[in-house]
Amino acid sequence: GAGVSQSPSNKVTEKGKDVELRCDPISGHTALYWYRQSLGQGLEFLIYFQGNSAPDKSGLPSDRFSAERTGGSVSTLTIQRTQQEDSAVYLCASSLSGMSYRAYEQYFGPGTRLTVT
Amino acid sequence: KQEVTQIPAALSVPEGENLVLNCSFTDSAIYNLQWFRQDPGKGLTSLLLIQSSQREQTSGRLNASLDKSSGRSTLYIAASQPGDSATYLCAVRRGGNNRLAFGKGNQVVVIP
Repeated sequence: GAGVSQSPSNKVTEKGKDVELRCDPISGHTALYWYRQSLGQGLEFLIYFQGNSAPDKSGLPSDRFSAERTGGSVSTLTIQRTQQEDSAVYLCASSLSGMSYRAYEQYFGPGTRLTVT
Repeated sequence: KQEVTQIPAALSVPEGENLVLNCSFTDSAIYNLQWFRQDPGKGLTSLLLIQSSQREQTSGRLNASLDKSSGRSTLYIAASQPGDSATYLCAVRRGGNNRLAFGKGNQVVVIP
């Protein structure tokens, strides 16, 4: 079956512009995660969605970052007034949830490489 | 805050040798541990998932062990091949929290 997909694969934007990054999770996965991978840094958690529950936004680095998930499926990460330090690879992951053995095993998309000039 | 460390950061081995990659974490209250592979410019591929109650998981030439009490996991890759060249990432999920905390990875080069 199809894996997690993300678009665009690459995005170059000017400082101060807004950008939207899209994630399509694996069909049937109720949990969706956004992470950021900066050069020389490990992966950093940003936000987590689980079903209809309120998202865990505790990893968002500033109020310029926001995300939504429509209909429990597709998610969009929005960065307003981009800064050069926002340049990174933004990775989306999805997982099942519940009591099964494989619950919460996260499957990642290919990422969106964002470059802010 | 959970800190995950991977040692060594980078290593090169000749083809055919066994690889041993180490991961340590500071908070032993984990729900599971996941090993990933990342190729340059690509996303992450899940290799093995170990639940906190398990001691090891095996998949083909890969074997991962978990010692939760000492905060350690080791990934063994038997009879390495050039196609094993990649960055290997260790990540832990804390109980009651669904985010993964990642190490910075072991960058592996297998020399033909």
